[in-house]
Amino acid sequence: ETGVTQTPRHLVMGMTNKKSLKCEQHLGHNAMYWYKQSAKKPLELMFVYSLEERVENNSVPSRFSPECPNSSHLFLHLHTLQPEDSALYLCASSHLGQGSGNTIYFGEGSWLTVV
Amino acid sequence: DAKTTQPPSMDCAEGRAANLPCNHSTISGNEYVYWYRQIHSQGPQYIIHGLKNNETNEMASLIITEDRKSSTLILPHATLRDTAVYYCIVRAYNNNDMRFGAGTRLTVKP
Repeated sequence: ETGVTQTPRHLVMGMTNKKSLKCEQHLGHNAMYWYKQSAKKPLELMFVYSLEERVENNSVPSRFSPECPNSSHLFLHLHTLQPEDSALYLCASSHLGQGSGNTIYFGEGSWLTVV
Repeated sequence: DAKTTQPPSMDCAEGRAANLPCNHSTISGNEYVYWYRQIHSQGPQYIIHGLKNNETNEMASLIITEDRKSSTLILPHATLRDTAVYYCIVRAYNNNDMRFGAGTRLTVKP
């Protein structure tokens, strides 16, 4: 248990569906992240939210839409995805830059399969 | 962030110490060394981090060379459950993201 909870753990969706991934952190952090891990590839940073504002978007296609309603919750809204978007999506959180105190903690991930 | 170099794979006998090396020759003075591991199908797990002093916690020890250009993660008594991909990452103190490489796949054998 890392204090970062992701739901659902597994999701299968069609290319015309709209679904959302949810993340909740219980660590009192004020920065949250979405990462993507495709098969046999390193983790890729997708989005960073700091104090509920998006501070980084690493050229992610618009079919991925993040939402951070408060410092404890993060969503990734998915629509019209492609089969190549099938991957493990990881949520993480940390304190804002405070020296060594801003260790990033990850959730268990949501396995997404697009059919 | 500075890049790191790790061997792609290593084996270790169960009960022995596992020593995982990492080179980070371009590390800057404000960059920490972090280690994570990822067991198959799970999210990365934080292990330990340090700036220039050696560090130890309940999971592992981190040895950083005096010039800070390399480090070693030590799992003192490896078990089968330590089989995972281990990532060495250098990250500035004011940088709010973590850039992962390919890591080292450690296999602990009976």
